[in-house]
Amino acid sequence: NAGVTQTPKFQVLKTGQSMTLQCAQDMNHEYMSWYRQDPGMGLRLIHYSVGAGITDQGEVPNGYNVSRSTTEDFPLRLLSAAPSQTSVYFCASSAESRYFTEAFFGQGTRLTVV
Amino acid sequence: AQSVAQPEDQVNVAEGNPLTVKCTYSVSGNPYLFWYVQYPNRGLQFLLKYITGDNLVKGSYGFEAEFNKSQTSFHLKKPSALVSDSALYFCAVRMGGSYIPTFGRGTSLIVHP
Repeated sequence: NAGVTQTPKFQVLKTGQSMTLQCAQDMNHEYMSWYRQDPGMGLRLIHYSVGAGITDQGEVPNGYNVSRSTTEDFPLRLLSAAPSQTSVYFCASSAESRYFTEAFFGQGTRLTVV
Repeated sequence: AQSVAQPEDQVNVAEGNPLTVKCTYSVSGNPYLFWYVQYPNRGLQFLLKYITGDNLVKGSYGFEAEFNKSQTSFHLKKPSALVSDSALYFCAVRMGGSYIPTFGRGTSLIVHP
């Protein structure tokens, strides 16, 4: 199993550009989520999904879109990049059939918006 | 509602000494508690969890954590620290019926040779 795979690992965008961060998991997990990690802020939830076709907003959803057409994939779209979106982004998945399962994280995408 | 606090931004300990990384939580209901570790330029990795039962939970790499319901705490401990334990540690809490874990802000553990 590859676990949770994120691409790309690094990205530099110009203000106003759009892009998609990819996330795929091969563990058949129902729950997937996107976090951003900023110094001193810990992990903040952007969007999450409890299954294919079902998504919802987290703590900091503005400027981001998600969709979940398959169990495996959960891409995060930046519609019009802003410098405030410079951050490290993590995708996570877990088996939601039991509430006490731990999350598996991808390696992260370091995004810089100039 | 659920929340978690890690009161220390940084913990310094000498190699070979015991270490403690603190975590307190607040939930309306029974908590499910987790510790994760993040090494530089990596994603978070699961260390251990408390669901129910024995208050002392043992996890990966010699770490353990003690659940204290009266103090609403779940401190991470290790009897003898290694330099390789230096990393960022996150506590997380979920309550029954919630899909979403809440993470603490993280504590940087620095183990000095």
